[in-house]
Amino acid sequence: NAGVTQTPKFRVLKTGQSMTLLCAQDMNHEYMYWYRQDPGMGLRLIHYSVGEGTTAKGEVPDGYNVSRLKKQNFLLGLESAAPSQTSVYFCASSYSPSSGRGNEQFFGPGTRLTVL
Amino acid sequence: RKEVEQDPGPFNVPEGATVAFNCTYSNSASQSFFWYRQDCRKEPKLLMSVYSSGNEDGRFTAQLNRASQYISLLIRDSKLSDSATYLCVVNLNTGGFKTIFGAGTRLFVKA
Repeated sequence: NAGVTQTPKFRVLKTGQSMTLLCAQDMNHEYMYWYRQDPGMGLRLIHYSVGEGTTAKGEVPDGYNVSRLKKQNFLLGLESAAPSQTSVYFCASSYSPSSGRGNEQFFGPGTRLTVL
Repeated sequence: RKEVEQDPGPFNVPEGATVAFNCTYSNSASQSFFWYRQDCRKEPKLLMSVYSSGNEDGRFTAQLNRASQYISLLIRDSKLSDSATYLCVVNLNTGGFKTIFGAGTRLFVKA
C-alpha cells in the first residue's frame, strides 16, 4: 500500500497563477483533509471531505477550492495564487470517527509551495 | 486564547533524560486526543492516542485529565532518535467534525 501520496512535491508560482494539488489514498478512508503548515502556526485545516462528492470548509478556506469526485482522490485548487499562500500543504485521510476503526489521520509527504 | 496550547520549546535534553510535554485545550466538547510526532521536513505521524485511563507504549506515557482539560506526554530514557516536534491533537464533534493541532514542541536530545 502506498498510503497517502501527494503531487507535486515542490512548486513555485507567480502571483496570480493557478494550480491544483492532487492527493490520493489507497486505504479506503471516508474522510480526507487538506492542511497548511506555517512556522509557529501549527497545522491549519483548509477544507475537508467526509465522503465522495462532499466537501466542507475548515479553518482557513479562503483562496482555495476542493473537489472529491472519487473516494480515493482529493484535489486542492488555488485559482489566483498570492504570496500569503506560500506554505507546506499536507493532505491526510482517516476512517470516519463513527466507524469504530479509530480516527487516526494518515498524512501525505507534503507539497512545498512558494508564491513569488 | 488558542484552542490547543502546548509548552513553548525547544526542549534540550541529554540522552537518557526523562522529559514531559504538556498540552491544554479550551473546548470541553473535545472527544478524542492524540500525540503526533513530526520529523524535520516530514509529515506528522501518530505517536499514540490518549485515553482517560492513561496509556503507555514502551518509553512513552500519555495522560488525559478531562476535568482540567490537560494532556501530557512523558518520554523516559530519551534517545537521540526522539529528537522531533511533538504535536498535541484534539478532535471535536460539535455538530461538525473538527481537528485542532497544537503548534508543537520541539525536542532536541543530545549525546
